[in-house]
Parts: sequence; structure tokens; C-alpha cells
Amino acid sequence: NAGVTQTPKFQVLKTGQSMTLQCAQDMNHNSMYWYRQDPGMGLRLIYYSASEGTTDKGEVPNGYNVSRLNKREFSLRLESAAPSQTSVYFCASSKYAQRGASTDTQYFGPGTRLTVL
Amino acid sequence: ELKVEQNPLFLSMQEGKNYTIYCNYSTTSDRLYWYRQDPGKSLESLFVLLSNGAVKQEGRLMASLDTKARLSTLHITAAVHDLSATYFCAVYLSSGSRLTFGEGTQLTVNP
Repeated sequence: NAGVTQTPKFQVLKTGQSMTLQCAQDMNHNSMYWYRQDPGMGLRLIYYSASEGTTDKGEVPNGYNVSRLNKREFSLRLESAAPSQTSVYFCASSKYAQRGASTDTQYFGPGTRLTVL
Repeated sequence: ELKVEQNPLFLSMQEGKNYTIYCNYSTTSDRLYWYRQDPGKSLESLFVLLSNGAVKQEGRLMASLDTKARLSTLHITAAVHDLSATYFCAVYLSSGSRLTFGEGTQLTVNP
């Protein structure tokens, strides 16, 4: 049981290049999330998928697209990378989109450290 | 818009001492989470607090929630070096179906 996995772990891009960050979970969770973490700003939600087949914007969606490929996989795409997208990206999953009274928590992947030059 | 503020943002303390981290939030919520992050690592869930007056304890850490004051605290008792990490609170907003994180408190416990 690997939990939440992310690839790659590190990536350096030049401005204008594109790339896709991959995320997979093996916990049979319904909901998946993409966050970015910047110093002094905590984690900010980019996009989330409450269930297979649905995606919604989070707090900072500009410059990103997502695909919920199936129940296990949720990818994040940068179409034209910018230096402002230099960050650490975390994928997370939870059993549900945390509706209702539940102790459901989000489980996080190891992160992808992205540098855009 | 939900705002979540933690203080202090940086905390350096000696082993054996007690201290409290505060998490204030701006909008009514019925659920609050505490996470721990070690340097260069991912986030690990510590506590989920579901209702007013909820208190959870694990080892030297105790978390509480006051929904009326919109305040959660994370109390550290007799700190040890292994507790050095960054601690995040995160508040769940049902209307948005998602978590909003505080900025994090970087805790360093010195021998």
C-alpha cells in the first residue's frame, strides 16, 4: 500500500515549457487535490476533484489544468511554465470531498519540487 | 473568504518547556485539522477536531477547538527535539468543500 505517489520528485523547466505532474493513490479514495506550497504562505489549493469525472477550481487555478484520468490518477498540467510557478506541488486524496460530519482527512504525497528558470 | 492565521510563525523553545500555537479563522466552520511537516517532507495528519470544545491528545501534543471564538490551539508539553517541524492548521469550509491552510508555525526545539 503506497498511499499517494507523485512523479517526478524534482523538475527544472525553462519559461514557456510545458509539463505534467502525475499523482496516483491506491487507497480507493474518491477525492483528490493539487496544492502548491510557497514559503510563508502555507498550502494553497490549485484544483480538486471531488469524485471521478469532476474537477473544480481552487484558490489559485490560473496557469494550470487538471485531468482526473480515473479514480486512482489525477494529473496537473502546466501549459506554459512561468517563474511564478516555481514551487513545491503536493497531491492529496481523501475518501470523500469532506462533506458531512466525518473525521475524513487528506493524505498527502511526497511532493514535486519544480523550478522554472 | 475564509482566512486562517497562525501565530507565532516561528517558535524556538528549549527542551522541557511548554508552549501553545494558536490558529484563528475568520468564518464559521465545523471542522479543523492539524498537520505536521518535517523539512523537505510531506504533510502528516495529527488531529481532526469536529465540534466546539473538542480536545484531542497524542503524546506531548494536545489540540483543542473553540468554534465560538473561531480559535484552535496546539499545546506542546515538555518539548523534545523530535517535535521540531512545521505545524499547520487547516479549516474546512463546507460551502467550498475544501480545506484552507494557515501559514504554518516553524517549531525548533533546542537541547
